[in-house]
Amino acid sequence: KNQVEQSPQSLIILEGKNCTLQCNYTVSPFSNLRWYKQDTGRGPVSLTIMTFSENTKSNGRYTATLDADTKQSSLHITASQLSDSASYICVVKTGANNLFFGTGTRLTVIP
Amino acid sequence: DAGVIQSPRHEVTEMGQEVTLRCKPISGHDYLFWYRQTMMRGLELLIYFNNNVPIDDSGMPEDRFSAKMPNASFSTLKIQPSEPRDSAVYFCASSLRDTYNEQFFGPGTRLTVL
Repeated sequence: KNQVEQSPQSLIILEGKNCTLQCNYTVSPFSNLRWYKQDTGRGPVSLTIMTFSENTKSNGRYTATLDADTKQSSLHITASQLSDSASYICVVKTGANNLFFGTGTRLTVIP
Repeated sequence: DAGVIQSPRHEVTEMGQEVTLRCKPISGHDYLFWYRQTMMRGLELLIYFNNNVPIDDSGMPEDRFSAKMPNASFSTLKIQPSEPRDSAVYFCASSLRDTYNEQFFGPGTRLTVL
């Protein structure tokens, strides 16, 4: 069964600290994996996309990793800021153009 | 570009009423997607169009839901009759070429069915 599971469901960290969000998937055949950031009351915005051959990709303070063998991805946020408070959604696309969504991790950064 | 435009932003209606949600994609984008988001189920793809033609509507929950795209700059999602369990935020997104490319989401319509 094609599934995308994210952990933790929610996370609270202090401003300036680092954190790592996890995404495990059983989707096959794999095409790509994208991380979205969704601020409260707004639509998701793409942070980064990972293809099969990519292990690491950075976008500012956000670094995504992909292990296609274990079917795991992580999103690492460095030196967190209050504006990082949002939901982070992992989406996996198959070769047949089907999309599978995780339920997201709700991150709260407190001062 | 103004991005994806959705209207209304909020809709409150009574059970049994017809609800129509509207979306204007980014100009030049040839894919349009409708999503539903709830706390319990997260984001769910309902249907998507390519060049105004519905490609995959397997996510549409039941016959009460219908979507149309009469032209490249406008799409509607209609629920008739609406039920309380339809309460959710409905997003429209558009992209170029295929779903490999980044989808740009609208601000969403928060629907409450009483």
